[in-house]
Amino acid sequence: GQNIDQPTEMTATEGAIVQINCTYQTSGFNGLFWYQQHAGEAPTFLSYNVLDGLEEKGRFSSFLSRSKGYSYLLLKELQMKDSASYLCAVRGATYSGGGADGLTFGKGTHLIIQP
Amino acid sequence: EPEVTQTPSHQVTQMGQEVILRCVPISNHLYFYWYRQILGQKVEFLVSFYNNEISEKSEIFDDQFSVERPDGSNFTLKIRSTKLEDSAMYFCASSLGQGDQETQYFGPGTRLLVL
Repeated sequence: GQNIDQPTEMTATEGAIVQINCTYQTSGFNGLFWYQQHAGEAPTFLSYNVLDGLEEKGRFSSFLSRSKGYSYLLLKELQMKDSASYLCAVRGATYSGGGADGLTFGKGTHLIIQP
Repeated sequence: EPEVTQTPSHQVTQMGQEVILRCVPISNHLYFYWYRQILGQKVEFLVSFYNNEISEKSEIFDDQFSVERPDGSNFTLKIRSTKLEDSAMYFCASSLGQGDQETQYFGPGTRLLVL
């Protein structure tokens, strides 16, 4: 089966840095995405990795190691509005056909930012 | 900035009734998707659609479900005979293409409640 694991919940302090880890075991792989989801709202795109290494976008960075089946999302200079769930998703988890592959999501990490 | 739109935002129906959820993907996107999220659970892939046909579907997408692109802008999900367990948030998503253009952008969702 497909397995995508993330911590259920994390707490961090405003202004600090937090790293959210994601490990995956899937039969296929065609990219890894991180989304942010506030309660009751749609997932919004944060970052995308398909090759090993670090991708940086402002306060957010994401890292991928395909050989280890591992990714992390790094959030810097945390703000209260960053309190949300962070979803790790693998594209092509069941079939890397290169077509309209669906995303297989982890259960998400609920991040709580404290003042 | 272009975005995916969905109607209605909320839908209440009786068990056994048919429902049609509507989506307008981003105008130049070519790939379309439906996902669902049962309250408190992870986002689950249902189906993807490209070039006027289903590209991939999950085990959830059984004979009770169908998708259609009735015109150049709308993308619909039909549930023929709703069950209590179909109660969930349904998200439509679209992507431009593959490679760097494969990011899936999500609509705001339709909250379906089956009584």
